[in-house]
Amino acid sequence: DIQMTQSPSTLSASVGDRVTITCRASQSISNKLAWYQQKPGKAPRLLIYKASTVERGVPSRFRGSGSGTEFTLTITSLQPDDFVTYYCQQYNSFWTFGQGTKVDIK
Amino acid sequence: QITLRESGPTLVQPTQTLTLTCSFSGFTLGTTGVTVGWIRQSPGKALEWIALLRWDDDKQYSPSLKSRLTFSKDTSQSQVVLTMTNVDPLDTGTYYCARAVIPASTFDFWGPGTLVTVSS
Repeated sequence: DIQMTQSPSTLSASVGDRVTITCRASQSISNKLAWYQQKPGKAPRLLIYKASTVERGVPSRFRGSGSGTEFTLTITSLQPDDFVTYYCQQYNSFWTFGQGTKVDIK
Repeated sequence: QITLRESGPTLVQPTQTLTLTCSFSGFTLGTTGVTVGWIRQSPGKALEWIALLRWDDDKQYSPSLKSRLTFSKDTSQSQVVLTMTNVDPLDTGTYYCARAVIPASTFDFWGPGTLVTVSS
């Protein structure tokens, strides 16, 4: 099984900050990495796939990068709506999610 | 417009069988490349993929749950059914169905989820 490890688990930031979340895979997954955003009580929303391709309709402040085993999600300027939880997911072999990163207000 | 919606019991007793239905519209499961998956989330926990059904009726299951799961589709191609046998309180959580299209294989449309509690 491929394990996905996200860091940090919680991130405190302010509106306008640039933040980065890291996701590491236990083995190489090429670029088969997606990022999701989940608001409380809601289903996840796909933000990025193929490590860096932004899903249609997602604001351009969300950026993904990486390949192999290390990936990052960067939000270039946090907006009030962005203080929620983010998950990475690999789809190289079955589907595995990271444990999530909660972005809260500093 | 693509929509998915989960339905099923809200309360199931331990050792019983859980049956969940995902009803969808706006796409056809019989179309090459289209798949529907189930993902669950225990309260306050991370997401866990549990099963996927492909357009060609091939099924994939989480290795940790495989022996307890059966995934099928109805003949109308607009509903899929997941059964989980011998449920345990650890199976409590919100169950989501979602669409993925190969080769992207990422879940681009999700249902709102249905909360299932396993308790006596």
